[in-house]
Amino acid sequence: AQKVTQAQTEISVVEKEDVTLDCVYETRDTTYYLFWYKQPPSGELVFLIRRNSFDEQNEISGRYSWNFQKSTSSFNFTITASQVVDSAVYFCALSEEVDSSYKLIFGSGTRLLVRP
Amino acid sequence: EAGVTQSPTHLIKTRGQQATLRCSPISGHTSVYWYQQALGLGLQFLLWYDEGEERNRGNFPPRFSGRQFPNYSSELNVNALELEDSALYLCASRLRQLSGNTIYFGEGSWLTVV
Repeated sequence: AQKVTQAQTEISVVEKEDVTLDCVYETRDTTYYLFWYKQPPSGELVFLIRRNSFDEQNEISGRYSWNFQKSTSSFNFTITASQVVDSAVYFCALSEEVDSSYKLIFGSGTRLLVRP
Repeated sequence: EAGVTQSPTHLIKTRGQQATLRCSPISGHTSVYWYQQALGLGLQFLLWYDEGEERNRGNFPPRFSGRQFPNYSSELNVNALELEDSALYLCASRLRQLSGNTIYFGEGSWLTVV
């Protein structure tokens, strides 16, 4: 069965520190997709990135970067020079497709608190 | 372009009553998903609708039901409300045609059962 583990329940950092959010997944599929979402206090899940299983290139977008390593089944997310506005719950998700039925399996989330 | 929109934002109901939540997907998206986010339980898949039909449901009792309308908007109904149904209900949509397409979420509807 598909599974996503975010072992860090809560992380607290001081502004301008770098922080890495860990995500480990389990799947038997050869083709799959990984996602990161941000959930601010308002509740909306904001899409950050999608990565397919064949693309192990790391990606950088501004202060955000993602490290996908198939060998360790990990898809970690780093925020460089964190800001107070980064405070949110971050979810890692894995696609599951069975008989044309597609959905996302989410990790339990990591709450990030960035203190001024 | 408008994102996924949900209504109402907040809803308070009494145990035993029924709740109806509504969702409009992103224009052009035919697939609508519902997820429940209860305190301490993370994001749980509830239902998936596509082209007007229920295609998949998560491990929830039958009192959780819904439908998708011809314009692809969707409604989630929760009957015989229980206290543990209090949660954030998130609707999401995606373009079904391509495998692995991103699922985009709305702001959610907060349901409180008292």
